Amino acid sequence: DGGITQSPKYLFRKEGQNVTLSCEQNLNHDAMYWYRQDPGQGLRLIYYSQIVNDFQKGDIAEGYSVSREKKESFPLTVTSAQKNPTAFYLCASSNAGQETQYFGPGTRLLVL
Amino acid sequence: SQQGEEDPQALSIQEGENATMNCSYKTSINNLQWYRQNSGRGLVHLILIRSNEREKHSGRLRVTLDTSKKSSSLLITASRAADTASYFCATPAYSGGGADGLTFGKGTHLIIQP
Repeated sequence: DGGITQSPKYLFRKEGQNVTLSCEQNLNHDAMYWYRQDPGQGLRLIYYSQIVNDFQKGDIAEGYSVSREKKESFPLTVTSAQKNPTAFYLCASSNAGQETQYFGPGTRLLVL
Repeated sequence: SQQGEEDPQALSIQEGENATMNCSYKTSINNLQWYRQNSGRGLVHLILIRSNEREKHSGRLRVTLDTSKKSSSLLITASRAADTASYFCATPAYSGGGADGLTFGKGTHLIIQP
């Protein structure tokens, strides 16, 4: 069953803590993306990666970090430097050079 | 900054009626996409229209693109309760055509009344 999986579905972060959101795809897509969605808002691009071991900052990269060690995995770390991390985080992937993106089910991050 | 802005922000219609939502964008694009999001879920791609196309159909969906006005519309015909969702237009975030990521509007929240 092909697709994109994100875990966990809900994540709680304590102040000063780094947390990592998982994103895995078995679609054999080269490109992967992380977006943030705030209530009643559209998605904003955090980071993207078009190939293994390479990634670029999006519009709101401050306070976040990523890695792309494997084609199928693109984890996002929300660091303590991100002062307002409460949001819905969506991971997506696409074929190389293709515009259509396929989204995971999302992770909701809440701050305790 | 957000490239696309949908209008209206919310729309409530009766089942069976047609729903039209609009998207305006600011800079030149080579394609525009529409996505649907059910509450608390990921986005689902609906349709992509390229800058050299004026209209595109997919099942009950009809999308138009007017590059001179920098606007697009999504028409859902014969609406069903299952069409209740938020609808977003998306344009390439950078000049790469979309492979570098997408920019989304705030969406139109569509409610279909039974």
